[in-house]
Amino acid sequence: GAGVSQTPSNKVTEKGKYVELRCDPISGHTALYWYRQSLGQGPEFLIYFQGTGAADDSGLPNDRFFAVRPEGSVSTLKIQRTERGDSAVYLCASSLTLAGDTQYFGPGTRLTVL
Amino acid sequence: QKEVEQDPGPLSVPEGAIVSLNCTYSNSAFQYFMWYRQYSRKGPELLMYTYSSGNKEDGRFTAQVDKSSKYISLFIRDSQPSDSATYLCAMTNFNTGNQFYFGTGTSLTVIP
Repeated sequence: GAGVSQTPSNKVTEKGKYVELRCDPISGHTALYWYRQSLGQGPEFLIYFQGTGAADDSGLPNDRFFAVRPEGSVSTLKIQRTERGDSAVYLCASSLTLAGDTQYFGPGTRLTVL
Repeated sequence: QKEVEQDPGPLSVPEGAIVSLNCTYSNSAFQYFMWYRQYSRKGPELLMYTYSSGNKEDGRFTAQVDKSSKYISLFIRDSQPSDSATYLCAMTNFNTGNQFYFGTGTSLTVIP
């Protein structure tokens, strides 16, 4: 595909449930980023990958959040024991390399925890 | 104190007006500055990027960086209704990592 894609576009879940959010980066992009955007706020950094490894996960709010990128392409953000405060739009971005390149964003997954 | 401060607006202007959007920041190590446009329920889309201080022009858009004041601006000339969106500033220092710091975004409406 031409751009970053994310699935699902919307996810509604109940408090305490487990969710997985998927990101397909632009083909050939080695760096991948996850952000969280709450209503009326700018994107907040969560984690980024260079290849298969997490280069910086300092933005993950707690150990309920985890992300993987096992083959250096598709990434999955996993949230355990969801809480109402996790409701937000989760954005994925990719760039050609890690340093100095433009980040291209996907449309986001809107997560609602009831 | 947030790393990046941006007036959330909303800002409403008539078509054809010049729009000025601004951000201030606290980290003097930031070197790379960007402006993104975000339409409702869409991901941010890169509009402009600049490295260090100075001006950069692209069509109707001009990005300005003043590192001495820790202040960046985006000017939109001859604004169009299609410019109605939220505008996010972002910045980073690639020497210490690749994390981008975003402002809260300014909501702009251009009235025909």
